[in-house]
Amino acid sequence: EPEVTQTPSHQVTQMGQEVILRCVPISNHLYFYWYRQILGQKVEFLVSFYNNEISEKSEIFDDQFSVERPDGSNFTLKIRSTKLEDSAMYFCASSEYLSLQPQHFGDGTRLSIL
Amino acid sequence: RKEVEQDPGPFNVPEGATVAFNCTYSNSASQSFFWYRQDCRKEPKLLMSVYSSGNEDGRFTAQLNRASQYISLLIRDSKLSDSATYLCVVMWSSNTGKLIFGQGTTLQVKP
Repeated sequence: EPEVTQTPSHQVTQMGQEVILRCVPISNHLYFYWYRQILGQKVEFLVSFYNNEISEKSEIFDDQFSVERPDGSNFTLKIRSTKLEDSAMYFCASSEYLSLQPQHFGDGTRLSIL
Repeated sequence: RKEVEQDPGPFNVPEGATVAFNCTYSNSASQSFFWYRQDCRKEPKLLMSVYSSGNEDGRFTAQLNRASQYISLLIRDSKLSDSATYLCVVMWSSNTGKLIFGQGTTLQVKP
């Protein structure tokens, strides 16, 4: 069964450094998403992306965050200057369509900011 | 009112028991609903979509009440392997696909 893959599985970074989290969505999917989950808390929406544009972003997704689809397969999340509170599990997801269509999640990148 | 609200549990049940989880949501315009399962520190995995007429997949039955903005999940004949956190998930915007997750309900099935 096709799956969403994410790299790295764990990233440890000093506060203030830039990080790039990478995702390869399922190949025929057109809609891409990033979510995050702080330890012990619920999964939170960050951003949705379609046709090379952000379609919606949350309040969490401030100017420090950006997303990109640099080629036909990768979908990246960049955090420009990391803060301690960015420590979380980051999940990439993709779906073929929007309405009534479930999203398939990658196994996540654990980001630890020191 | 919280966007998506679930009883966090934990629900501790013996093997073979029937257990029901409930969820309420605040966005009356939502059209798509799902139950996901999350094992400890892993990604959410789709358990089932929830349809207006209710739907069943093996031991799992999902119901939707749009008037009350209420979703339920029934698990029959619980197995040890059902132990996990069950996430009620609502698509908040059908234009962007934004999902809102509940806090999750933890189920522990004991031998």
